[in-house]
Amino acid sequence: DSGVTQTPKHLITATGQRVTLRCSPRSGDLSVYWYQQSLDQGLQFLIQYYNGEERAKGNILERFSAQQFPDLHSELNLSSLELGDSALYFCASSVWGGGALTDTQYFGPGTRLTVL
Amino acid sequence: AQKITQTQPGMFVQEKEAVTLDCTYDTSDPSYGLFWYKQPSSGEMIFLIYQGSYDQQNATEGRYSLNFQKARKSANLVISASQLGDSAMYFCAMTRNRREGAQKLVFGQGTRLTINP
Repeated sequence: DSGVTQTPKHLITATGQRVTLRCSPRSGDLSVYWYQQSLDQGLQFLIQYYNGEERAKGNILERFSAQQFPDLHSELNLSSLELGDSALYFCASSVWGGGALTDTQYFGPGTRLTVL
Repeated sequence: AQKITQTQPGMFVQEKEAVTLDCTYDTSDPSYGLFWYKQPSSGEMIFLIYQGSYDQQNATEGRYSLNFQKARKSANLVISASQLGDSAMYFCAMTRNRREGAQKLVFGQGTRLTINP
């Protein structure tokens, strides 16, 4: 158990819908990252938050957004869902995410999203 | 841009044998970190081992060791005395040292390891 929690574990929805994925980082970690794992794209970085502020964006679609709340949990919002958004979405956390090489990211169990 | 290459899509090894999973990387950064993660069939990503680009010695964590050859830009994972529970996908990843900003991980495509009894 990494200490990172994600809910829900599975999510099945229809095209055009909107969903929210939730992540709670490890105790003491200030940085949260979101990754998408799909068969065709592999593991792709989406976005990073550090202590409530957006730190970096990766290959995140405009239909997707995220935020980190004062209690440091984070939510990833996916809207106007398409079939191609079906994937495993991971949240990871690290102590600070400020560039230290030893700042290991610990992953949550993931949310498997299926868009029908 | 950083890139990770894992050339072995799948590997089959007998239980108790040692196994080496290959990873080569490409980066122009002088300072970077290399990571290995394990993804069992259940789906979670489990951190295994870390190697910093300036570390003089190869990293070890229990049965895992990282064969780091900087000049060749390789960071192979060695699992000694393999066990049935080692069957999983293994991902090599890297990040770079930045004073500020993102610490995103760049992943390879993974190697599926199967341990045969």
